[in-house]
Amino acid sequence: NAGVTQTPKFQVLKTGQSMTLQCAQDMNHNSMYWYRQDPGMGLRLIYYSASEGTTDKGEVPNGYNVSRLNKREFSLRLESAAPSQTSVYFCASSLDRVATNEKLFFGSGTQLSVL
Amino acid sequence: GESVGLHLPTLSVQEGDNSIINCAYSNSASDYFIWYKQESGKGPQFIIDIRSNMDKRQGQRVTVLLNKTVKHLSLQIAATQPGDSAVYFCAEIATGTDKLIFGTGTRLQVFP
Repeated sequence: NAGVTQTPKFQVLKTGQSMTLQCAQDMNHNSMYWYRQDPGMGLRLIYYSASEGTTDKGEVPNGYNVSRLNKREFSLRLESAAPSQTSVYFCASSLDRVATNEKLFFGSGTQLSVL
Repeated sequence: GESVGLHLPTLSVQEGDNSIINCAYSNSASDYFIWYKQESGKGPQFIIDIRSNMDKRQGQRVTVLLNKTVKHLSLQIAATQPGDSAVYFCAEIATGTDKLIFGTGTRLQVFP
């Protein structure tokens, strides 16, 4: 099983450019999440989707938008990239909300550099 | 505010020894705690979890201890192996929230 698949794995952007990070899971999970990980730090929640058709802000949502396209796919969009958004981005999914103590399954990450 | 932190950023152990990774948390409303392992170039991987109504839970070669009195969490790895080399994160969830808060991580290095 593929689990959680993220594309692309690497991306370099210029300040002001836009792009969309794609995420898909094949585990029939209801909840999906986007995290960012900066060097020497833990992961911080950007946005999450508790179920298909819903999205909510996490700890650091500014500068990002998300779309829960269907049950499998959850995309993250940077409308106008800034150097502060240089980070590694992880998508994750869980059968149900983490509030119910469901386990998170992570993708392998997208390394984004904004110049 | 809420925070989860680790005492040691890097831990070096000899192969075969036991490893202990510590974590402090400050949110007394947290009731579920998780340890993740992250290998280089990969996403975090679930290791073991514990709920606040427990003080110890054991898995295969790993044990998590929870001391709610001092808000302290630890991960013990028995007979540490080279494959255990990774960064380990503790994370917490407060009751009823969907915000999984991660600590900054501890790098475990295993040498022969």
